[in-house]
Amino acid sequence: DIVMTQTPLSSPVTLGQPASISCRSSQSLVHSDGNTYLSWLQQRPGQPPRLLIYKISNRFSGVPDRFSGSGAGTDFTLMISRVEAEDVGVYYCMQATQFPRTFGQGTKVEIK
Amino acid sequence: EVQLVESGGGLVQPGGSLRLSCVASGFTFSGYIMNWARQAPGKGLEWISYISSGSSAIYYADSVKGRFTTSRDNAKSSLYLQMNSLRDEDTAVYYCVRSGGMDVWGKGTTVTVSS
Repeated sequence: DIVMTQTPLSSPVTLGQPASISCRSSQSLVHSDGNTYLSWLQQRPGQPPRLLIYKISNRFSGVPDRFSGSGAGTDFTLMISRVEAEDVGVYYCMQATQFPRTFGQGTKVEIK
Repeated sequence: EVQLVESGGGLVQPGGSLRLSCVASGFTFSGYIMNWARQAPGKGLEWISYISSGSSAIYYADSVKGRFTTSRDNAKSSLYLQMNSLRDEDTAVYYCVRSGGMDVWGKGTTVTVSS
């Protein structure tokens, strides 16, 4: 199974400041079709998860442009350019290159 | 509006069975891969099952293989999860999730396995 490792596990941030979350996979996420199926999801308190980013860097419908994704191979990053109060929650990376699909442990973003 | 609504959760004893349902609306259900995922209390996310649009390909996590069965009825825009031989560690919120990219999630239904 592909192991997804996120750092940090907790990220206290100041409103209006940037935040960054890293995700490393135990093997390359490049699929045989040439795509890299790495996604980022947000889970606000008491809510179901919500897709933010798919295939490394593509924002899903309705996602604010302060969220961006980057990376390649086994190393990926989610950036929030200016954190807003509504961004509080847990963020997960997820790979859909191989079965079983696997998630990172989650990174809790909170306001300082 | 794209929507997934799960139902069928509840309290069940260890070794018991439960069948979850998910009704989809707002999109052409028959054209989409579907998944089940779960989240144990206070824990992270776990993918448990995938079913292709025509049911020709079905995959399971090792943790549920042989005990859980995923099916779908495209005429009813519905996804199902038959859960047998339930264990304490199956206690979780169960989510219905659209597509290979897991782009839309339902609100979830809670399954509690306890004596």
